[in-house]
Amino acid sequence: GDSVTQMEGPVTLSEEAFLTINCTYTATGYPSLFWYVQYPGEGLQLLLKATKADDKGSNKGFEATYRKETTSFHLEKGSVQVSDSAVYFCALSDRKGSSYKLIFGSGTRLLVRP
Amino acid sequence: EAQVTQNPRYLITVTGKKLTVTCSQNMNHEYMSWYRQDPGLGLRQIYYSMNVEVTDKGDVPEGYKVSRKEKRNFPLILESPSPNQTSLYFCASRTSGITDTQYFGPGTRLTVL
Repeated sequence: GDSVTQMEGPVTLSEEAFLTINCTYTATGYPSLFWYVQYPGEGLQLLLKATKADDKGSNKGFEATYRKETTSFHLEKGSVQVSDSAVYFCALSDRKGSSYKLIFGSGTRLLVRP
Repeated sequence: EAQVTQNPRYLITVTGKKLTVTCSQNMNHEYMSWYRQDPGLGLRQIYYSMNVEVTDKGDVPEGYKVSRKEKRNFPLILESPSPNQTSLYFCASRTSGITDTQYFGPGTRLTVL
């Protein structure tokens, strides 16, 4: 079945460091790919998405490119801030019968130190 | 403001005492889901609903019930809670397209003693 694999955390960085969180997926169809972020004590919220191969999603300085050849959707940011500390979830949306199912990775906790 | 609300946010209960967690959305979304979040396991879908009176099992439905009598509400029912249902629960909603954003509630932290 479809699945999403993320690098294990926690990832600890100093402020202004470069961030990469790896995400790979397995899917039988042509999924859409998402990154969601969960700040402490809150629900998940969409960070960015890409709906087809070679699309780049971007938001708040974060980017991720849909790479079909490597089945990857790695999250990157050039210069992280303390406020980026959160848990990041990679997810895919694929057809399930007449509906679409969202499948999540296990999440990667990011801690940014001043 | 577009939002998904859940109540209660925190709940401590005892084994076997029936409880309901409410979920409501104001975006007129057809699709609603319940997830549980456990350390190292990410989010696992419990149940989902494609529209009023249409519900189906997700990946971990055992021990849970849902109903969808109105489009905006999707309560989660634990008829006889057990300690292994101690978890963080999220309700979510979206429209039915494959690329559509899913909106999450703030979460309900449930502890079953």
